[in-house]
Amino acid sequence: ELKVEQNPLFLSMQEGKNYTIYCNYSTTSDRLYWYRQDPGKSLESLFVLLSNGAVKQEGRLMASLDTKARLSTLHITAAVHDLSATYFCAVDDGSNYQLIWGAGTKLIIKP
Amino acid sequence: GAVVSQHPSRVICKSGTSVKIECRSLDFQATTMFWYRQFPKQSLMLMATSNEGSKATYEQGVEKDKFLINHASLTLSTLTVTSAHPEDSSFYICSARPRGRGGRSPLHFGNGTRLTVT
Repeated sequence: ELKVEQNPLFLSMQEGKNYTIYCNYSTTSDRLYWYRQDPGKSLESLFVLLSNGAVKQEGRLMASLDTKARLSTLHITAAVHDLSATYFCAVDDGSNYQLIWGAGTKLIIKP
Repeated sequence: GAVVSQHPSRVICKSGTSVKIECRSLDFQATTMFWYRQFPKQSLMLMATSNEGSKATYEQGVEKDKFLINHASLTLSTLTVTSAHPEDSSFYICSARPRGRGGRSPLHFGNGTRLTVT
């Protein structure tokens, strides 16, 4: 059974700092997704990572995938308040294109 | 592109009544749509997979007679919460992937429906 673990689950940081969110998964998959959710809102797709070594960057966010280690990271550079949200990673289970979700990381960035 | 429209965004209903939530893919076809439920401060819980032209596949513990899913066309799936109770109050989100792209496209999410049962 595919399981996805995210850590930390909660992160409070100062503006301007760097930090990384980790997403580990338990069985082989080469399709991993990162989503952002603002309070009371639905999910917004951030990154799609489809191969080992994939790296995607958008603004202050960078995501990477290591399929051998079954690990993805979401790195935040010089954080700004607007990045405050809950971030979810999700892994394709390979069967019916269902996604197995991490628990989410609530990120609070203080001015 | 790849817009998913969900309606209504908010609904308040009385116990015992039924509520229908619509999920439409506006600019792509989706043979499969997914219905999720999210409790406050928790991750998404997959309720069921909606398959165009066939019965939905429900996750363990989800009552199919209570959460009726109909996927009548390649662009529309509906979730009907029947005989709603206060414990059904939650945030319901639908999602879909463009047909034919397999798993290489992310799931696109509707804006969600906040259901409150009084």
